[in-house]
Amino acid sequence: GQNIDQPTEMTATEGAIVQINCTYQTSGFNGLFWYQQHAGEAPTFLSYNVLDGLEEKGRFSSFLSRSKGYSYLLLKELQMKDSASYLCAVITWKGGGNKLTFGTGTQLKVEL
Amino acid sequence: DAGVTQSPTHLIKTRGQQVTLRCSPKSGHDTVSWYQQALGQGPQFIFQYYEEEERQRGNFPDRFSGHQFPNYSSELNVNALLLGDSALYLCASSSTETTGELFFGEGSRLTVL
Repeated sequence: GQNIDQPTEMTATEGAIVQINCTYQTSGFNGLFWYQQHAGEAPTFLSYNVLDGLEEKGRFSSFLSRSKGYSYLLLKELQMKDSASYLCAVITWKGGGNKLTFGTGTQLKVEL
Repeated sequence: DAGVTQSPTHLIKTRGQQVTLRCSPKSGHDTVSWYQQALGQGPQFIFQYYEEEERQRGNFPDRFSGHQFPNYSSELNVNALLLGDSALYLCASSSTETTGELFFGEGSRLTVL
């Protein structure tokens, strides 16, 4: 089966740093994606990790530990526009095709 | 360079009707996947098309069917609509050449009354 867990909600202050965790138990693993989704909009690609370690991209960083089935998304210098849902998703390949299995998303609220 | 485009953006149907949603993938992408996202949930995988064939399918009934055309665009068809089919339907495009790229369109929001 596929199981991806992430916190439902988080609140942080503008200018601060927040870490959103994601744990997964999946049959197969070919990489982990993080997406940002504002209300009523489509998910926007943030990062893709396939090897262990930290990937940094501007204010956003993503970490992966395959042995622990664990990833986190780190957001620095938070801005009000970062208020959104953050989706963790594992990609698996089967039968010549691939699919993403998503967590339910973490709703981040950035406050003044 | 156009990204992933979907149409229509919003539509309202009644129970029992049929609906067709359309998707054009990002330039250079050859694979199209469809996802259903209910309110407050993460997207759920419906199926994926590559080379005009269904390559993988999620846990959705046969009422959900699809097609991919030679130009890589795709359609999602849902027959005998149920109230529970109300959701945001997302198309994602990717390339067999680059596994780290998977981009979503803006989605089609379907309301079934």
